[in-house]
Amino acid sequence: QVQLVQSGAEVKKPGASVKVSCKASGKTFTSFDINWVRQAAGQGLEWMGWVNPNSGNTGYAQKFQGRVTMTRNIAINTAYMELRSLRSDDTAVYYCARLNPGYYFDYWGQGTLVTVSS
Amino acid sequence: QSILTQPPSVSGAPGQRVTISCTGSSSNIGAGYDVHWYQQLPGTAPKLLIYGSNNRPSGVPDRFSGSKSGISASLAVTGLQAEDEADYYCQSYDSSLSGWVFGGGTKLTVL
Repeated sequence: QVQLVQSGAEVKKPGASVKVSCKASGKTFTSFDINWVRQAAGQGLEWMGWVNPNSGNTGYAQKFQGRVTMTRNIAINTAYMELRSLRSDDTAVYYCARLNPGYYFDYWGQGTLVTVSS
Repeated sequence: QSILTQPPSVSGAPGQRVTISCTGSSSNIGAGYDVHWYQQLPGTAPKLLIYGSNNRPSGVPDRFSGSKSGISASLAVTGLQAEDEADYYCQSYDSSLSGWVFGGGTKLTVL
């Protein structure tokens, strides 16, 4: 069974950066893209981008290009999402999710709350 | 504003049938990309409910079903139960954006 376990909640000041991790269990880490999706309180799901654990290739939603970097460490089955120049409207729960080749997200992390406040 | 449009809320009594619509455009659903549905209970991560427009992962009751036609898709829930009260999201791929898109979500209330 696949499990995605994310790092704990973060509180950051405006202008700072945050890096969230997502550790995958099992032997299939390099076989599926890891995507990041965020959700502000009371709002819907917003797709941010993906990282291919095997190649390190990435793709980002236009809204986040230039401000987000997604990376991975194959040795420890972990993907990362770093968001820079944080603003108050970046306050949200950030989820990692595994992308099935059928273009759907079949496994999700538990979510990481990032709060941006002065 | 979400690329895929869902009604903000739907409701039904226990045992009834409800449907949730998801309307896209020619660059996503209308381009032939599959629609997938997720259920999100309060305070939890989304859970895959329907994939490939009408396939259920193991463990999802057959009370849930999906369909797709043209630029729209629908999720149907029959035999409503109190435990079905949750937020539901549709998702597809958009070729113009080169990325994945979600609907704005629909809150299902069991009366």
